Amino acid sequence: DGGITQSPKYLFRKEGQNVTLSCEQNLNHDAMYWYRQDPGQGLRLIYYSQIVNDFQKGDIAEGYSVSREKKESFPLTVTSAQKNPTAFYLCASTPEVGHYYGYTFGSGTRLTVV
Amino acid sequence: KNEVEQSPQNLTAQEGEFITINCSYSVGISALHWLQQHPGGGIVSLFMLSSGKKKHGRLIATINIQEKHSSLHITASHPRDSAVYICAVRITGGGSNYKLTFGKGTLLTVNP
Repeated sequence: DGGITQSPKYLFRKEGQNVTLSCEQNLNHDAMYWYRQDPGQGLRLIYYSQIVNDFQKGDIAEGYSVSREKKESFPLTVTSAQKNPTAFYLCASTPEVGHYYGYTFGSGTRLTVV
Repeated sequence: KNEVEQSPQNLTAQEGEFITINCSYSVGISALHWLQQHPGGGIVSLFMLSSGKKKHGRLIATINIQEKHSSLHITASHPRDSAVYICAVRITGGGSNYKLTFGKGTLLTVNP
């Protein structure tokens, strides 16, 4: 079955360390997105990518970096510059950016920084 | 002020009850999504609407573009419907038609 795989499901890191969250899709979707979810808040867009080797900042990109070297993969690195990295991170994809298609979401990664 | 407001924030129902979750938005949109998030965190897309009404099983979603309002209804609710239901809109114009703006979600608990 096609879908999005995020790994790991739970991640613990020490403060000051960079950490990379994996997102892989086998849907042949062009566009991929990273969202952050905090308790009591709606999801917020961190980065998105319309095509391989291209990505754009979302609303809360500071302290994060991404790459899109392959169509299937869109990893997110949470750097030590991110002031409050503990959160739930969701990856999503659509066939194309700006088209009226539904989103496919991954199952998320819960990051805890101690 | 949030661009997408959901009500209620929390809803507890007895099995079999008819449930309504509301979503109001303050901007022009090209589409509205209803999403379901289970306790494990994964999100499933339930509906995408740009007008009218859609039905899937016991779920019904409606949207009134003029009033900037959408409702999600669950008929004959069941404990397995317990989840967070999230409304999200795709805002028109300004080059942002790729992006979803999310409500904070409604936590639904259905007791047996």
